[in-house]
Amino acid sequence: EPEVTQTPSHQVTQMGQEVILRCVPISNHLYFYWYRQILGQKVEFLVSFYNNEISEKSEIFDDQFSVERPDGSNFTLKIRSTKLEDSAMYFCASSPGTGERQYFGPGTRLTVT
Amino acid sequence: DQQVKQNSPSLSVQEGRISILNCDYTNSMFDYFLWYKKYPAEGPTFLISISSIKDKNEDGRFTVFLNKSAKHLSLHIVPSQPGDSAVYFCAASGPSGTYKYIFGTGTRLKVLA
Repeated sequence: EPEVTQTPSHQVTQMGQEVILRCVPISNHLYFYWYRQILGQKVEFLVSFYNNEISEKSEIFDDQFSVERPDGSNFTLKIRSTKLEDSAMYFCASSPGTGERQYFGPGTRLTVT
Repeated sequence: DQQVKQNSPSLSVQEGRISILNCDYTNSMFDYFLWYKKYPAEGPTFLISISSIKDKNEDGRFTVFLNKSAKHLSLHIVPSQPGDSAVYFCAASGPSGTYKYIFGTGTRLKVLA
């Protein structure tokens, strides 16, 4: 089965630094998502992206966050100035269409010190 | 945001017996429900889904039941196997036109050999 891939698997950064988390969605999928899971908590939706624009975002996805599909295969999440509370697993997902199941990547563990 | 709840944080079942995982939701606009399985350090893996127009969906050892009037769904695994030991999340989406999944807090299933 095709897979969503994410890099890096683990990123450590200092508070206030910018980080970019990278994802390669499944090639024929059109919808892309970011979720996060803070340790011990549930998986939370951040943002969805379709046709080169954000289609939906949560309250968590504030001005410090941005997403981009820079080259037709990668999908990135940027956090401009990281905070301690941004430490979490970040999952990328993709789906062929809306209303179809989302396929999740293995996640990037972000640790902000 | 407690729209999707899994009230049992953990469940232990003997190998070969039935595992029943439960999930409750509050938003009557949800129209699509899914179960994902998650191993440590991996992303959620899709198991089975059900549309709100159905009350049952079966796939091999996995069956999902939906009771719309009670706003309740359950996942049955028969027979349970040690490899089923993981954290199980239910997720919901809807109404049509929204993209995000709302996840429950998860139930850790342990299947004892």
